[in-house]
Amino acid sequence: GDSVTQMEGPVTLSEEAFLTINCTYTATGYPSLFWYVQYPGEGLQLLLKATKADDKGSNKGFEATYRKETTSFHLEKGSVQVSDSAVYFCALLSGGSYIPTFGRGTSLIVHP
Amino acid sequence: ETGVTQSPTHLIKTRGQQVTLRCSSQSGHNTVSWYQQALGQGPQFIFQYYREEENGRGNFPPRFSGLQFPNYSSELNVNALELDDSALYLCASTPGGSKNTGELFFGEGSRLTVL
Repeated sequence: GDSVTQMEGPVTLSEEAFLTINCTYTATGYPSLFWYVQYPGEGLQLLLKATKADDKGSNKGFEATYRKETTSFHLEKGSVQVSDSAVYFCALLSGGSYIPTFGRGTSLIVHP
Repeated sequence: ETGVTQSPTHLIKTRGQQVTLRCSSQSGHNTVSWYQQALGQGPQFIFQYYREEENGRGNFPPRFSGLQFPNYSSELNVNALELDDSALYLCASTPGGSKNTGELFFGEGSRLTVL
């Protein structure tokens, strides 16, 4: 079945540091890939997505590229801010399905 | 445009009790899904409702049940509560048909504690 594997957290960084959160997946066919973010006390909200191989999703300075050859969708940001502290979830949606599969989430803590 | 709203935000129950959680979908969305998010885990799919009928269910026992109403709002009912039911319950809505891009629109959740 479909699965998503994310790097273990928490990831702790200083402000303006470079961020990478790894995400790899297993799925049949060609899934759509998503990153959701959950700020403290809130529900999840879509951060970015990519629907086909080599697509790059981007939003709020975050980027992720759909790599079919390595089945990965790593999240990156060049310079993190304290306000980026949150839990980040990688997810996939297989073609023909309406139920996404989520990873366990990676907590990011950014210190001033 | 009104987003997804859930109630109550927090509640405490004891083992064996029953609970009802409520969700109003985002304006224009006719599909509602419910997820359970245990502490430190990703959301786990419970079930989905489309046009008042359940049209998908995850690996949850029958004591988890739901309803969708004509205005697309929804309820999640959990009977015979167990300690392991303590979690954040998230409701998500999506538009139907060709407007569905795969993105889920989540509410802020209802945090249930079972003692």
